[in-house]
Amino acid sequence: QKEVEQDPGPLSVPEGAIVSLNCTYSNSAFQYFMWYRQYSRKGPELLMYTYSSGNKEDGRFTAQVDKSSKYISLFIRDSQPSDSATYLCAMSAGVSGKLTFGQGTILTVHP
Amino acid sequence: DTAVSQTPKYLVTQMGNDKSIKCEQNLGHDTMYWYKQDSKKFLKIMFSYNNKELIINETVPNRFSPKSPDKAHLNLHINSLELGDSAVYFCASSLRVGEQYFGPGTRLTVT
Repeated sequence: QKEVEQDPGPLSVPEGAIVSLNCTYSNSAFQYFMWYRQYSRKGPELLMYTYSSGNKEDGRFTAQVDKSSKYISLFIRDSQPSDSATYLCAMSAGVSGKLTFGQGTILTVHP
Repeated sequence: DTAVSQTPKYLVTQMGNDKSIKCEQNLGHDTMYWYKQDSKKFLKIMFSYNNKELIINETVPNRFSPKSPDKAHLNLHINSLELGDSAVYFCASSLRVGEQYFGPGTRLTVT
């Protein structure tokens, strides 16, 4: 079993929809939780960063962390075609800064 | 100005050859990383350096050797290339845990 599980999709939604992306994990030492977005043939870029449990909102994006269930989510409101990308969850226990990534979910938002 | 740059962008070479990939960051970060992304988009850490000191060395064949001449540069040398080394290699840098900035990637194809 992988340390971080993420449904690879693909996920296809109409423009304006609310998108929900999720990851589960098994390592209870993870304290830092991130979402990265990767466009085709580009490097990943950091979208959201959360330490420990709770919610964080940034514009149309909301990240949720539930450490008791070992479950994290990313919500995208009013999705746009420009949101079409692969979304990667990533986690770290800290110290060395090592990130463990999920497999990535491919999202397509069609006009 | 590009924050994290890698050269070359594409690398096509034959089995058995030796090749190097260079990475530079102008963000003033202390920590740099090398990741490998396979054909299924799974991103896995290979190495990490903090102020020129190796801090993460994952289970990677010893044909792969990182070198950090200073904290702004992290190069990756690969000896005796194999077909299975074909992947996209990403360099990244960070100032704090989880907040990593990725380069554009080097697409390595071994024939």
